[in-house]
Amino acid sequence: NAGVTQTPKFRVLKTGQSMTLLCAQDMNHEYMYWYRQDPGMGLRLIHYSVGEGTTAKGEVPDGYNVSRLKKQNFLLGLESAAPSQTSVYFCASSYPTGPGGNNYEQYFGPGTRLTVT
Amino acid sequence: QQQVKQSPQSLIVQKGGISIINCAYENTAFDYFPWYQQFPGKGPALLIAIRPDVSEKKEGRFTISFNKSAKQFSLHIMDSQPGDSATYFCAASSYNFNKFYFGSGTKLNVKP
Repeated sequence: NAGVTQTPKFRVLKTGQSMTLLCAQDMNHEYMYWYRQDPGMGLRLIHYSVGEGTTAKGEVPDGYNVSRLKKQNFLLGLESAAPSQTSVYFCASSYPTGPGGNNYEQYFGPGTRLTVT
Repeated sequence: QQQVKQSPQSLIVQKGGISIINCAYENTAFDYFPWYQQFPGKGPALLIAIRPDVSEKKEGRFTISFNKSAKQFSLHIMDSQPGDSATYFCAASSYNFNKFYFGSGTKLNVKP
């Protein structure tokens, strides 16, 4: 059981370049999330998905797109990278637990460190 | 507008001491409050969580205290150890929201 994996681990982009970050989970979780982590700002939600084929915007969606074509994969795309997108990106997945199914334990991947120059 | 406010930003505690991290929220619809622990170079991992129908939850040396009327909750780490040195995040969620709001994080340093 690998849990949540992210590819790549590190990447350096030039302004204007595009790239896709891949997140994969083998726990059959319905929900998946993309966050960015910046110093002093905690984790901010970019986009999320509550099931295969569905996506929704989080707190900071501008400049990013996502797709969830398969239940186990959640892709984050940067169409035209900007220096402001330099960050550490975390993917997470979760399933409802607890009484009534309304507790969500999130499992995080190891992160992707992206630098845009 | 930040949904969950966390303090302090950093904390230094001597080995054996008590570490206390505080969080406050505004939205009364939140009904699940987890704490995550993150070591350098790793993703956050769930440490302990509480629902608002209880005022305290304890797991080993870690305790969450929850004050529903004040809309505040805190993490207490008893007998703090150097291995507890990490960044801690509080968060809040609601079943209806399908998403989490995280605090800004607290970097804890436990000195031997």
